[in-house]
Order: sequence, then structure tokens, then C-alpha cells
Amino acid sequence: SQTIHQWPATLVQPVGSPLSLECTVEGTSNPNLYWYRQAAGRGLQLLFYSVGIGQISSEVPQNLSASRPQDRQFILSSKKLLLSDSGFYLCAWSVYSGRRHPGELFFGEGSRLTVL
Amino acid sequence: GIQVEQSPPDLILQEGANSTLRCNFSDSVNNLQWFHQNPWGQLINLFYIPSGTKQNGRLSATTVATERYSLLYISSSQTTDSGVYFCAGTSGTYKYIFGTGTRLKVLA
Repeated sequence: SQTIHQWPATLVQPVGSPLSLECTVEGTSNPNLYWYRQAAGRGLQLLFYSVGIGQISSEVPQNLSASRPQDRQFILSSKKLLLSDSGFYLCAWSVYSGRRHPGELFFGEGSRLTVL
Repeated sequence: GIQVEQSPPDLILQEGANSTLRCNFSDSVNNLQWFHQNPWGQLINLFYIPSGTKQNGRLSATTVATERYSLLYISSSQTTDSGVYFCAGTSGTYKYIFGTGTRLKVLA
């Protein structure tokens, strides 16, 4: 069966420090991968998605970046964190199931980031 | 891109009551899902329902893709149903766009 892991689960970082969140999917190949952010009490905002190794689509201009160095690994990074980067970051995956069907979406446990 | 509107934004129920949550899309959707976010933040898949009706225990969902909406029914609600309910869909792309959610509180 497929599983998805995210880490770290919680982190507190000072403004201006770098960030690296990692997500790994097991039990499937060539998944579509997503990074979402959820501000406190708000909905989910799509940040990045990837349909293959090295392919990254950015949805929101900001100081974050994403990379997909391996088929089932998705990394969210920042060189210098801002206060506004605080939030709950969620990685998700789906498997393409046909034309115009990216497949059912499944989420990891999330990473809660506080920038001070 | 598509816009997703959920109603009501907040809902308070007594245990045992029934409720209907609605999700409206601004454009046609190819995929539609319902999720429950528990108090710990975990997003739990409820239904993958591009069209038609599905039932799982006390929960059921109906999607009318041609009219761009989906409904989630919760019957005999329990305190463990509390949390935020999200719908999400795609429109000819790989991007799942989420609604703003319905925050449900079930009182004992």
C-alpha cells in the first residue's frame, strides 16, 4: 500500500533563516506531488505541484521554492524565511489515472512552521 | 482558475442531528473530493466522487457535475465529526483547488 511521510512535523525558525521540508511517497511510482500551505483557521493554498522528476509548477510568487530530485521525493525550501511564511505545510500525492484525471489526492501528516 | 465556494462556513449541531454541506464550483470539474480535517490537522479522505452518489456509513455525498455542485450529508452526527470539511476539485489540469471549508462543531 502507498504511504506518504513528511518531516519535520514541527519546527520553529527565526526570520531570515533557511527552510527545508521533505516529503517522500512509498509504494507507487511516478506520482503527482503537491505542496499546500494552510494559514491558521484558513483554507488550503496550492504552492507547487510536480508531474515528474525535475518538473515544478509554481502557483504563488513568493520566497519559497520546490524541487523534485527523485521520483518520489518532494522538497520545499526557502533561503530566508519571513514572518508570513508561518503556517501548516502539507504534502500530497496522486497517481495519474487517465486523460484529465490526476487521480485521488492523499495527504501527509503535515509540518507546522512557526517563524519568529 | 476555478473558484470553489463552500456553505455554510460554520455549523453547530447537537449530537444526533443531520446536516448538509454544499460545495459550488465556478467551472466544470473533472474530479471532486471531500476531506475532513480533524483537530490535529490531519486531512482524511471521505469521498472521491466526480459524479453520482456514494455512501459510507453515516456519510454520503452527491455530485452533480453538470450543475457544478456537490453535497455532503452527515446523519446522526457525533462529537467525533467535529472539524473542518473541505471539498476540492480540478478542471482539466493536475491542480486540486480547495474550498474555504465548513467548520463543524457537534455538541454532546
